[in-house]
Amino acid sequence: GESVGLHLPTLSVQEGDNSIINCAYSNSASDYFIWYKQESGKGPQFIIDIRSNMDKRQGQRVTVLLNKTVKHLSLQIAATQPGDSAVYFCAERYNFNKFYFGSGTKLNVKP
Amino acid sequence: DAGITQSPRYKITETGRQVTLMCHQTWSHSYMFWYRQDLGHGLRLIYYSAAADITDKGEVPDGYVVSRSKTENFPLTLESATRSQTSVYFCASSGAHDYGYTFGSGTRLTVV
Repeated sequence: GESVGLHLPTLSVQEGDNSIINCAYSNSASDYFIWYKQESGKGPQFIIDIRSNMDKRQGQRVTVLLNKTVKHLSLQIAATQPGDSAVYFCAERYNFNKFYFGSGTKLNVKP
Repeated sequence: DAGITQSPRYKITETGRQVTLMCHQTWSHSYMFWYRQDLGHGLRLIYYSAAADITDKGEVPDGYVVSRSKTENFPLTLESATRSQTSVYFCASSGAHDYGYTFGSGTRLTVV
């Protein structure tokens, strides 16, 4: 079946630096994308979303970029903090209200 | 956030036993979902429901049964548990078609 994948399974960054987490999605018909953050022992938490008619969306310290030409999604975290350490998932929607998730990228923030 | 709760938090069961995982949400969300999370596979959709009495299969439904007699509850039953069903199970809900999910805290199930 189709799946969402990630380029880097683990990313280590220095506190204060910017982080970029990448994701390759598989279905060109996907119309909605979400980044989730999952801390140890917890369920995934919504970070930011973007619809297929947009290229960029900004939140507080986070930015999502969508490149539909190459089916690529990225999450940028500015001034990364220790509290940002978690596993990050991208998810795409192309079938009813169902999201398909990638395997995740672990972000380690070094103090 | 107590809006969506899962129980039990942890469960150990024996192969062949029937086990039910509970999910309850207080928002009256129409959509509810069950995912399992395994290392290397991310989150995979087991079943989903668009409303009370409406359910449908996801990517990995075999060995699972769901029901949705009330909007707020969406139990997941493993009819005859197998070791391959050892996983962390997440329930999620969504209030509308154009919004993302809110997840519960998960149930860690071990089948021995």
